[in-house]
Amino acid sequence: DQQVKQNSPSLSVQEGRISILNCDYTNSMFDYFLWYKKYPAEGPTFLISISSIKDKNEDGRFTVFLNKSAKHLSLHIVPSQPGDSAVYFCAASRNSGYALNFGKGTSLLVTP
Amino acid sequence: KAGVTQTPRYLIKTRGQQVTLSCSPISGHRSVSWYQQTPGQGLQFLFEYFSETQRNKGNFPGRFSGRQFSNSRSEMNVSTLELGDSALYLCASSPDTQRGETQYFGPGTRLLVL
Repeated sequence: DQQVKQNSPSLSVQEGRISILNCDYTNSMFDYFLWYKKYPAEGPTFLISISSIKDKNEDGRFTVFLNKSAKHLSLHIVPSQPGDSAVYFCAASRNSGYALNFGKGTSLLVTP
Repeated sequence: KAGVTQTPRYLIKTRGQQVTLSCSPISGHRSVSWYQQTPGQGLQFLFEYFSETQRNKGNFPGRFSGRQFSNSRSEMNVSTLELGDSALYLCASSPDTQRGETQYFGPGTRLLVL
């Protein structure tokens, strides 16, 4: 069963605008959440993470929001750039362990 | 620092054969995890090794096994290959010095089973 879900397989955004990628999870034991970015033929690259004790974490153009009551997190990219075009994976783990549960990814296309 | 390296990058095998994939973690990282990526199932956790011991295991059959050496390098073996084993196999390493650490991925080994 898929415990981490990314319900939008793809998203297209204009350069300079905000990209919002969403992720839902079902396991309330998850306490650490990460976003990875993946280009074809490469491994996922870590982007940003958030612990369940926080509701927001920022790193430059990237912000992750966590809503524990809704079991939902989102990644905001502002402003979006063409180089951000990639597949974005949401991942979660329990007890801050190392078995990451991944969503199936959202393909982001940022158009000039 | 050099990143996670995986060898080989591409591999073609036939059904029934076995295969061994190799992963060298980032220097100083002690935890190595393996994942399988397929179009239908996405990224799925296989197992994690720390100090030469398997610490976590995903829901994969016993045909999938691994080991870790004293220098933290890890190998993954798949025996009696099936067509469905065709996938991108990713290795990730982590320092394992505190909770909630990030895993850093290698480029993967693309396995095609014919």
